[in-house]
Amino acid sequence: EVQLLESGGGLVQPGGSLRLSCAASGFTLSSSGMSWVRQAPGKGLEWVSGISGSGTGTYYADSVRGRFTISRDDSKNTLYVQMNSLRADDTAVYYCAKDRSTLRALEMWGQGTMVTVSS
Amino acid sequence: QSALTQPASVSGSPGQSITISCTGTSSDVGRYNYVSWYQQYPGKAPKLMIYDVSNRPSGVSNRFSGSKSGNTASLTISGLQAEDEADYYCSSYTSSTTLVFGGGTKLTVL
Repeated sequence: EVQLLESGGGLVQPGGSLRLSCAASGFTLSSSGMSWVRQAPGKGLEWVSGISGSGTGTYYADSVRGRFTISRDDSKNTLYVQMNSLRADDTAVYYCAKDRSTLRALEMWGQGTMVTVSS
Repeated sequence: QSALTQPASVSGSPGQSITISCTGTSSDVGRYNYVSWYQQYPGKAPKLMIYDVSNRPSGVSNRFSGSKSGNTASLTISGLQAEDEADYYCSSYTSSTTLVFGGGTKLTVL
């Protein structure tokens, strides 16, 4: 069974850092593009970042470029996003999602992990 | 990276058909056949309902269909059921090598 399990969310002060993890099971990350998508409380979905199946392509929304870094560890079959210089408007539920290709259609989603940026 | 434009809300009675529009630009919806639609219940993760404009993943009811004309994509739900009441989001690949979502549409089944 294909599953995605996010972890690493929590409360962080403005300007702080956090690393989210997404453990994949039932498939290998290297065979699929992956994305991070966030949803602020009561708001819509916002794509944050993506990585190609080969791992050579990484992509970012303007709102996080230069502050967030997507990566993966194939030996652990785990996707990451390192989030630096966090701001209040980064507060959201963060989902990892498996792509049908790369940046095409997100066919499997994790349950999400909450990130709150507040002093 | 402006969000795609969706109506904030639509409604319909059981058994009826409804259509949700998703308007982008010639740099996203109009250029690529990589439009997807997602269904989301409150407090739950989104679920892929349509990909590549009009394809349904395995297990998705054939009451859901998608289409595109120019810069506007559409999701049609026929034979509306109470369980269809949810938020719906469109997304598209863009020429900037990003993914962009619509603002979301709340579907109410009357």
